[in-house]
Amino acid sequence: GAVVSQHPSRVICKSGTSVKIECRSLDFQATTMFWYRQFPKQSLMLMATSNEGSKATYEQGVEKDKFLINHASLTLSTLTVTSAHPEDSSFYICSASDRYQETQYFGPGTRLLVL
Amino acid sequence: SQQGEEDPQALSIQEGENATMNCSYKTSINNLQWYRQNSGRGLVHLILIRSNEREKHSGRLRVTLDTSKKSSSLLITASRAADTASYFCATDAGGGNKLTFGTGTQLKVEL
Repeated sequence: GAVVSQHPSRVICKSGTSVKIECRSLDFQATTMFWYRQFPKQSLMLMATSNEGSKATYEQGVEKDKFLINHASLTLSTLTVTSAHPEDSSFYICSASDRYQETQYFGPGTRLLVL
Repeated sequence: SQQGEEDPQALSIQEGENATMNCSYKTSINNLQWYRQNSGRGLVHLILIRSNEREKHSGRLRVTLDTSKKSSSLLITASRAADTASYFCATDAGGGNKLTFGTGTQLKVEL
């Protein structure tokens, strides 16, 4: 099956710093990648959708200058949390699909803790 | 919010019993999907049912879809301790595979 990796799996940073999370599709070309945020014992909330080579589409209420998304290639998308604050602490999950797939393939997630 | 609702929120059963989870949603859909998430991990796709389908099977999983009631159910038969996880339904209303996830059901299967 399709494999999606995320790096890092866990990151602790100081308030005010920026953190970059990578999402890679290992065995297929991901024309679309999705970024989600999940709070403990809650569902996934879609943050943004990114298509290779174009700007990401952000969901309502998600600050695009706060959460920078780049999808420069068909196998890599990055999410940068800029000037992170404790309230940004969360579990961030990416997923990927190609134009032929109806399903999304999820990465293992990145747990961010901002002190 | 267009997020769907799932019930029950939590379900605890004995190994060997069947587990049924329900999902309701609000908009017309192209398909509905069920995913599983082990604690602190990513999601694993279980099964997809299209809007013109009423029932689908995959191994011990049985999914039904009632578009008139905007609801779906996931049945896991002969549950095992390894089935312990959170289960989410997700709807695709069309437009680039974008999914809207339900609130999830936490299933615990005890030995």
